[in-house]
Amino acid sequence: DQQVKQNSPSLSVQEGRISILNCDYTNSMFDYFLWYKKYPAEGPTFLISISSIKDKNEDGRFTVFLNKSAKHLSLHIVPSQPGDSAVYFCAASGRGGTASKLTFGTGTRLQVTL
Amino acid sequence: DGGITQSPKYLFRKEGQNVTLSCEQNLNHDAMYWYRQDPGQGLRLIYYSQIVNDFQKGDIAEGYSVSREKKESFPLTVTSAQKNPTAFYLCASSPRQSVAKNIQYFGAGTRLSVL
Repeated sequence: DQQVKQNSPSLSVQEGRISILNCDYTNSMFDYFLWYKKYPAEGPTFLISISSIKDKNEDGRFTVFLNKSAKHLSLHIVPSQPGDSAVYFCAASGRGGTASKLTFGTGTRLQVTL
Repeated sequence: DGGITQSPKYLFRKEGQNVTLSCEQNLNHDAMYWYRQDPGQGLRLIYYSQIVNDFQKGDIAEGYSVSREKKESFPLTVTSAQKNPTAFYLCASSPRQSVAKNIQYFGAGTRLSVL
């Protein structure tokens, strides 16, 4: 049962344009969401996060939006740069005993073209 | 430099052999985690430890074992009972739960293959 879903395995965007990566979740106990970026043969790098008490969090070129009623979050990258080409993972954690565990999506491979 | 060090980078296992993957962190983090990544899949949690001398099974613990004798170290043993061990293994750590919630920091990974 995939509790965190990234339905687009890949995305291609032109340099300078906006990249939008989507993530859906099913577990209503999730209250904290993270995005990680991963290059091949390397570990994931933390990018940005958002708590369920917010609907938007911005950090430079990266903005994460959370729609709790739809159980949907998205990562916007503006403007996209070639160095953004990587696999992006969405992750979620919940309350109480599960607070220390992260559940990951399957990832979206972003390719930024010149 | 503070960080998480995984070794070796590449590891080969023979049939029936146990192998141990090393993970060391000097971030003074309380919690440590082991994940497995297979092609086209997300990261799946094998084991995690929130404090020294304590650990819990994750979603796919069968065929694996861990120990947490020191705060900075969390080795993972892939036993012969793990029938499909070929994967990319990632170790992570995070500070004690706080207002900042659970941001996990990852090592560079170990790629395990079966001979």
